[in-house]
Amino acid sequence: EVQLVESGGGLVQPGGSLRLSCAASGFTFSDDWMNWVRQVPGKGLEWVAHISPDGSETYYLDSVRGRFTISADNAQNSLYLQMHSLRADDTAVYYCARLPRTADTYWGQGTVVTVSS
Amino acid sequence: DVVMTQSPLSLPVTLGQPASISCRSSQSVVHGDRNTYLSWFQQRPGQSPRRLIYTVSHRDSGVPDRFSGSGSGTDFTLKISRVEAEDAGVYYCLQSTVWPYTFGQGTKLEI
Repeated sequence: EVQLVESGGGLVQPGGSLRLSCAASGFTFSDDWMNWVRQVPGKGLEWVAHISPDGSETYYLDSVRGRFTISADNAQNSLYLQMHSLRADDTAVYYCARLPRTADTYWGQGTVVTVSS
Repeated sequence: DVVMTQSPLSLPVTLGQPASISCRSSQSVVHGDRNTYLSWFQQRPGQSPRRLIYTVSHRDSGVPDRFSGSGSGTDFTLKISRVEAEDAGVYYCLQSTVWPYTFGQGTKLEI
């Protein structure tokens, strides 16, 4: 059974940092790009970042570039999102997801990040 | 960035009736490999999204055949031939042709 389990969310003050983790199982983690997608409560979906299978390529949403870093540990089947200089508009549910263009897709259940003083 | 515009944003439907959602992109989402990476996702209340359709018209495994996708270039449509109660939720289109990949605003299907 495929599972993606996020952790690390929580309440943080503006300007603070958080590190999200995603533990993957049930599929070959290193076979495909991995992604972070976020959703502001009651709002739509926003693709935040993704990383190539070997970690050599990363892409970021403009609004998070320079503040967020996506990384992966293929040996541990884990995906990470290091977030710095957090702002109120980063408040969202953050999903770890495997979203290939044509093959099967998988989503985690999401972890909530709240940026507030 | 490619802007994906869905309409309508809210769609009241009656059980057993058809439903149609439109998605328009601000520029062509045909990739250099000649594929069009336009997908449709369903998000039921309290759940993570689930992909229904990829490359415009291909249904994912396990997706009922009442769901169909069509379109080309910049105009795309998701159709449900006969709406069932389990179809309630929000539907999103996604282009994964050009980075940053972008979703539509979502269409809430209300039964």
